Amino acid sequence: KAGVTQTPRYLIKTRGQQVTLSCSPISGHRSVSWYQQTPGQGLQFLFEYFSETQRNKGNFPGRFSGRQFSNSRSEMNVSTLELGDSALYLCASSASGTETFEQYFGPGTRLTVT
Amino acid sequence: AQSVTQPDIHITVSEGASLELRCNYSYGATPYLFWYVQSPGQGLQLLLKYFSGDTLVQGIKGFEAEFKRSQSSFNLRKPSVHWSDAAEYFCAVGHNYGQNFVFGPGTRLSVLP
Repeated sequence: KAGVTQTPRYLIKTRGQQVTLSCSPISGHRSVSWYQQTPGQGLQFLFEYFSETQRNKGNFPGRFSGRQFSNSRSEMNVSTLELGDSALYLCASSASGTETFEQYFGPGTRLTVT
Repeated sequence: AQSVTQPDIHITVSEGASLELRCNYSYGATPYLFWYVQSPGQGLQLLLKYFSGDTLVQGIKGFEAEFKRSQSSFNLRKPSVHWSDAAEYFCAVGHNYGQNFVFGPGTRLSVLP
């Protein structure tokens, strides 16, 4: 089975721009979660989607948004980029229904904001 | 609110030596506990998980972890470390609903030849 894939792997944007990151989960997985990883804050949960609905949301400003498609692929969008948004963005998929399952992570998208 | 602490930011061990990485959690109900490893520039790989049952769980790459409810701990162990184990290790706690894990700050492991 193919693992979680994320595109693009690397991205450089300028302050004020917006960016869209993509995540394709493991086949059959219906839950997709997004995390931001920075040296200062570590791994922080952004949001989780299950069956095209946002099920959980972390403590991030509204500039961070996401969606999930009927094939479980997910995108996250960051508008009006700030320097502090520079981070590794990790996507994880899970076979979850309502129970907690282990998550499988993609390689991440490294976003640099200049 | 749930939280995870990993008291050791950086640990250095010699190849062949034993390893224990500490993890303490705060969670109001029965926790779902995980250990993940991250190599430089990579995503996270699941090492092992605890949901219920036997408190000593075995994982991949020769790792094991023991859940101790009385100490709110889930320490990761390996009897003999290999140079390829050098990486960052994250402990995480999950809820009983949904996939919004809380991760610890991580412990960076260096291995001396």
